[in-house]
Amino acid sequence: SAVISQKPSRDICQRGTSLTIQCQVDSQVTMMFWYRQQPGQSLTLIATANQGSEATYESGFVIDKFPISRPNLTFSTLTVSNMSPEDSSIYLCSVGDRGAAFFGQGTRLTVV
Amino acid sequence: AQSVTQLDSHVSVSEGTPVLLRCNYSSSYSPSLFWYVQHPNKGLQLLLKYTSAATLVKGINGFEAEFKKSETSFHLTKPSAHMSDAAEYFCVVTDTEAAGNKLTFGGGTRVLVKP
Repeated sequence: SAVISQKPSRDICQRGTSLTIQCQVDSQVTMMFWYRQQPGQSLTLIATANQGSEATYESGFVIDKFPISRPNLTFSTLTVSNMSPEDSSIYLCSVGDRGAAFFGQGTRLTVV
Repeated sequence: AQSVTQLDSHVSVSEGTPVLLRCNYSSSYSPSLFWYVQHPNKGLQLLLKYTSAATLVKGINGFEAEFKKSETSFHLTKPSAHMSDAAEYFCVVTDTEAAGNKLTFGGGTRVLVKP
């Protein structure tokens, strides 16, 4: 299965600032996905990161708030912009591999 | 559109007794279904997957799930719970065979295992 590394694993940030989360995969993949898991909740898809084109955002998520880069087939970044305490969540990167989805360890973000 | 309902938000079992986690899904096409486990402060781990082959799917750690199209269910079971099974479990559906496409997660079931 694909091995996915996310950085940072956790961070505490001031409101109004931005944080960029990195996701590195050990193999080339067509699509990468970013999810959010709010405290005590299930996972919600933020966007699909496509190499060579703009990310596709789900309802309720916008590019200005969650800009995504996908410079190559093994790497993506998600930025959480102008953060507020409501953005405190775990953010997870995911890829598909041989009929299943695999996830990074997640980035636990706390906004104070 | 696809959706997943996990019928129990919390399940409490005694060590050594069976575990049943219930999941119902809705999908416009032939779904692929998955169960994932999330231990505290850990990432998501794939337990098992159904992708239109055998309806009874065996996964890791003694878990298995049965796909029942007539009931639109994909319940997860384990004959004998272990303390290490205490975690959050997610039932997941996607409309295409190529998982890693858009996944829809159920609300999760938190399993407590009592000694």
